[in-house]
Amino acid sequence: DADVTQTPRNRITKTGKRIMLECSQTKGHDRMYWYRQDPGLGLRLIYYSFDVKDINKGEISDGYSVSRQAQAKFSLSLESAIPNQTALYFCATSASTGFAETQYFGPGTRLLVL
Amino acid sequence: AQSVTQLGSHVSVSEGALVLLRCNYSSSVPPYLFWYVQYPNQGLQLLLKYTSAATLVKGINGFEAEFKKSETSFHLTKPSAHMSDAAEYFCAVTLSNSGYSTLTFGKGTMLLVSP
Repeated sequence: DADVTQTPRNRITKTGKRIMLECSQTKGHDRMYWYRQDPGLGLRLIYYSFDVKDINKGEISDGYSVSRQAQAKFSLSLESAIPNQTALYFCATSASTGFAETQYFGPGTRLLVL
Repeated sequence: AQSVTQLGSHVSVSEGALVLLRCNYSSSVPPYLFWYVQYPNQGLQLLLKYTSAATLVKGINGFEAEFKKSETSFHLTKPSAHMSDAAEYFCAVTLSNSGYSTLTFGKGTMLLVSP
């Protein structure tokens, strides 16, 4: 079984709908991240959480919210989806060594907003 | 603040040829540097990372990268390309003076390998 899983893997939604993307991990890591990937723009950080009670905004948090339900679960919500949120979304985890931590990525969720 | 610049959004090589993917960084303090690879329809996985222990870093699948402070570079190389190396490669940087620093990624370089 994969260490970092994301559901759904693909999602089509309409403008204005609220949707949630979920991430679960079995690696026992305390740090979790949400990124979006757009062609030619690389990965940009949306939100990150260094432990269950710690949530931080990343570079592009507007229009998004997150919930850290447990150490192993970190969900990303689009409150009112818009077409320019069409992208590939990745969840990642790392252990808090504080020293060049390796991030482990899920397989991604491809989101299309019509 | 930190950033990375990857020169070339696409690099094409022939099978067996040298692979060179360029990355330059900007950081206010000594950085930690990473190369990640993304194969089609997959998430990213770590190729290698620089943590100041050695300037030449060896990674998986025959890749290596050299940290050059004077040039603020961390270029990725492989002596002989394989078809299976076709993927997108991302350089990333984080600060070494904080355990709370996040990764900043470059825009990626797509490596195309022809027979």
